[in-house]
Amino acid sequence: SQTIHQWPATLVQPVGSPLSLECTVEGTSNPNLYWYRQAAGRGLQLLFYSVGIGQISSEVPQNLSASRPQDRQFILSSKKLLLSDSGFYLCAWRPNRDSGNTIYFGEGSWLTVV
Amino acid sequence: GNSVTQMEGPVTLSEEAFLTINCTYTATGYPSLFWYVQYPGEGLQLLLKATKADDKGSNKGFEATYRKETTSFHLEKGSVQVSDSAVYFCALHQGAQKLVFGQGTRLTINP
Repeated sequence: SQTIHQWPATLVQPVGSPLSLECTVEGTSNPNLYWYRQAAGRGLQLLFYSVGIGQISSEVPQNLSASRPQDRQFILSSKKLLLSDSGFYLCAWRPNRDSGNTIYFGEGSWLTVV
Repeated sequence: GNSVTQMEGPVTLSEEAFLTINCTYTATGYPSLFWYVQYPGEGLQLLLKATKADDKGSNKGFEATYRKETTSFHLEKGSVQVSDSAVYFCALHQGAQKLVFGQGTRLTINP
């Protein structure tokens, strides 16, 4: 069966420090991968999605970047965090097939920038 | 482009009350529609889905019917429980690689 894991689950980082959130998917190949953010009191916002290794699409210009060095690995990064980067980050995957398939989410990572 | 509009929250109900959370969408063609639920401190989970007009998705006592004529996918439950307290997201997926979410509706059920 397929599983998705992301880590760390929680972290507190100072302003200006770097960030790396990692997500891996097991049990499937060539998935579509996504990073979402949920800011406090707001809905989900798509940050990045990837349809293959090295292929990244950015939805919102911002202080963050994403990389996909391996088929089932998706990394969210920042060189210098801002206070506004605080939020709940969700990695997700979907089978690379038709649009009726469900998207599956990781457990989420709580980021607090202080 | 595609979009999803949800009923604004927060919504507060008493246990055993009837629940409706409205969701309408804008899309060309025939998207797939989803409801996701996020319990406190957790990630999102799929609650139910419908992939074509007039389909009814159901799970855990929740139901939603895909209404093409009104472009709606309202979430309903006949008798809510305290454990249903969560944030509910309506979402749409069509062709392209991304899922479009509504803004979420926070539901609180009081005993």
